[in-house]
Amino acid sequence: QVQLEESGPGLVRSSGTLSLTCVVSGASIDGSSWWNWVRQPPGKGLEWIGEIYHNGYTNDNPSFKSRATISVDKSKNQFSLTLSSVTAADTAVYYCTRGTIGPRFSPSYYFDFWGPGILVTASS
Amino acid sequence: DIQMTQSPSSLSASVGDRVTITCRSSQSIDKYLNWYQQKPGKAPNLLIYGASNLQSGVPSRFSGSGSGTEFTLTIASLQPEDSATYYCQQSYYMLTFGQGTRVEI
Repeated sequence: QVQLEESGPGLVRSSGTLSLTCVVSGASIDGSSWWNWVRQPPGKGLEWIGEIYHNGYTNDNPSFKSRATISVDKSKNQFSLTLSSVTAADTAVYYCTRGTIGPRFSPSYYFDFWGPGILVTASS
Repeated sequence: DIQMTQSPSSLSASVGDRVTITCRSSQSIDKYLNWYQQKPGKAPNLLIYGASNLQSGVPSRFSGSGSGTEFTLTIASLQPEDSATYYCQQSYYMLTFGQGTRVEI
């Protein structure tokens, strides 16, 4: 069974940098999946941050204005998120997820496995 | 950006009711539409992918339909454990979620 788990500081100073890691087990990060970060501010909806393929190719949500960087470490089967210049608006539960390309009969792309999430509070 | 709009924002229904949630996209997304269920304090769980394909392990009372710009998630016979927030997500270009629909029993 594929499992993902986020780790990192639960508190980040405003104007500082948020750094999170997602360890993947039960699947090789070197496979055909994409690896994503999604966040959810308290009481609000889901927001996609970006994704990475094992070769380092990334797709990012332009709304983060290049503040978000996603990297991959194949030797540790994990990937990471850094978010710079954080403000209170970046306070959220951050999830890592696996992105899977659907079967030929149904072109699709979806998140089939999620980590439990980690609450990160940005505060001065 | 492709905007996703869900309706209603919330609903209350009884056990055994048929429930339908609608998701509309700001432009055509073919069938690149997924549905997730999220319970309080938990990560979202994939229900439907590719607009109408039931994810393995998901009860058959859940179904999805639609293509282009209009999609629906239907719960055929609402159960107590279906109390949750439901999100649609487009994966046609980048990825965006709807604002969510809260379902209360």
